[in-house]
Amino acid sequence: ETGVTQSPTHLIKTRGQQVTLRCSSQSGHNTVSWYQQALGQGPQFIFQYYREEENGRGNFPPRFSGLQFPNYSSELNVNALELDDSALYLCASSLGQGGRYFGPGTRLTVT
Amino acid sequence: GQQVMQIPQYQHVQEGEDFTTYCNSSTTLSNIQWYKQRPGGHPVFLIQLVKSGEVKKQKRLTFQFGEAKKNSSLHITATQTTDVGTYFCAGSHAGNNRKLIWGLGTSLAVNP
Repeated sequence: ETGVTQSPTHLIKTRGQQVTLRCSSQSGHNTVSWYQQALGQGPQFIFQYYREEENGRGNFPPRFSGLQFPNYSSELNVNALELDDSALYLCASSLGQGGRYFGPGTRLTVT
Repeated sequence: GQQVMQIPQYQHVQEGEDFTTYCNSSTTLSNIQWYKQRPGGHPVFLIQLVKSGEVKKQKRLTFQFGEAKKNSSLHITATQTTDVGTYFCAGSHAGNNRKLIWGLGTSLAVNP
């Protein structure tokens, strides 16, 4: 196991609602990144945080936002949920740009 | 845009046969990483390659990074049922190494 934890494991929301997903990094890691993985697809990079600041972002709209805390844990917030937001959301911690160590993910279903 | 292509999409082998998946980028990569994801699981980091022409081995797995740093391969010798899963490559492009661009993965099935 990687030591990266995520909560909740599963979540069902209604279109238009807002959601917050949480992640605890592996000990010693200072960077956290978030990914969206649709069924049968590869992970899509949402954004990355280092020292509590976003320092990289993929092609996701501003309604996807995040936070990193002093203990390197992180949150992913998604506003105005759409049906296409249904996916597995993966958090990964790393030391800089080294290998990403993933948590088990949060399965989000938007109805 | 920047893409990482991975082939084949699926591979079905008999236990004991070899397996190779290939990863190709349209632009030069600063590094490439390989991950394995079991069905229902999350990606697990296998290795990172940084140098041109680099070759690394992990037991039955051999990873290569091309001389031009635009392609990479993962070769598994004598597959076992425990090798089942989807293998992803993910690369960072020079100038933006914070963003990992992932291939679509190669799903490996192994018949016992």
